[in-house]
Amino acid sequence: NAGVMQNPRHLVRRRGQEARLRCSPMKGHSHVYWYRQLPEEGLKFMVYLQKENIIDESGMPKERFSAEFPKEGPSILRIQQVVRGDSAAYFCASSPGIQETQYFGPGTRLLVL
Amino acid sequence: KQEVTQIPAALSVPEGENLVLNCSFTDSAIYNLQWFRQDPGKGLTSLLLIQSSQREQTSGRLNASLDKSSGRSTLYIAASQPGDSATYLCAVRTPTGNQFYFGTGTSLTVIP
Repeated sequence: NAGVMQNPRHLVRRRGQEARLRCSPMKGHSHVYWYRQLPEEGLKFMVYLQKENIIDESGMPKERFSAEFPKEGPSILRIQQVVRGDSAAYFCASSPGIQETQYFGPGTRLLVL
Repeated sequence: KQEVTQIPAALSVPEGENLVLNCSFTDSAIYNLQWFRQDPGKGLTSLLLIQSSQREQTSGRLNASLDKSSGRSTLYIAASQPGDSATYLCAVRTPTGNQFYFGTGTSLTVIP
């Protein structure tokens, strides 16, 4: 059973471009969580999704950020018009149920030039 | 709002020593607490998960305790090895289960 997969592992974008981060949960997991780790800071929760539904997006910036978890395919975290402050490591986690252990992916490191 | 603090921020010990990492949280209404390990440039590896009704969990050389009423958890590492060098993160789960609140971590270096 493969673990949580994230791609790309590294992403470089220029200011104003769009960044798309993908997360494939573990097999059988229908719950996905996105976290952001800014340099020298701890991980911060962004959004929690189940298949086709956003359950909790209280940690996600109101503008430029969006997330989806379609019926088929990976979960996508989309950042429009990136700014330098978006440079961070973005981690995805998945779980089979809401109160079960979250398993983390290796992260996508976004660098905005 | 839940806040999680880890002390110390960095720790350096000689190989073979036993050590304790500390985690404190401000809101005792948690669902569970989890300790993770993060290697440089890598993702998180789950070490131990303690449910709110439990007092401790053990796995090999690792032992984690939880005192929910005082808002504290400790991770005890016995007979430390250079391979234990990593950042250790403590995270508490909200009662609704939606998210973790993470501490900023303790960076551990075990010197051969």
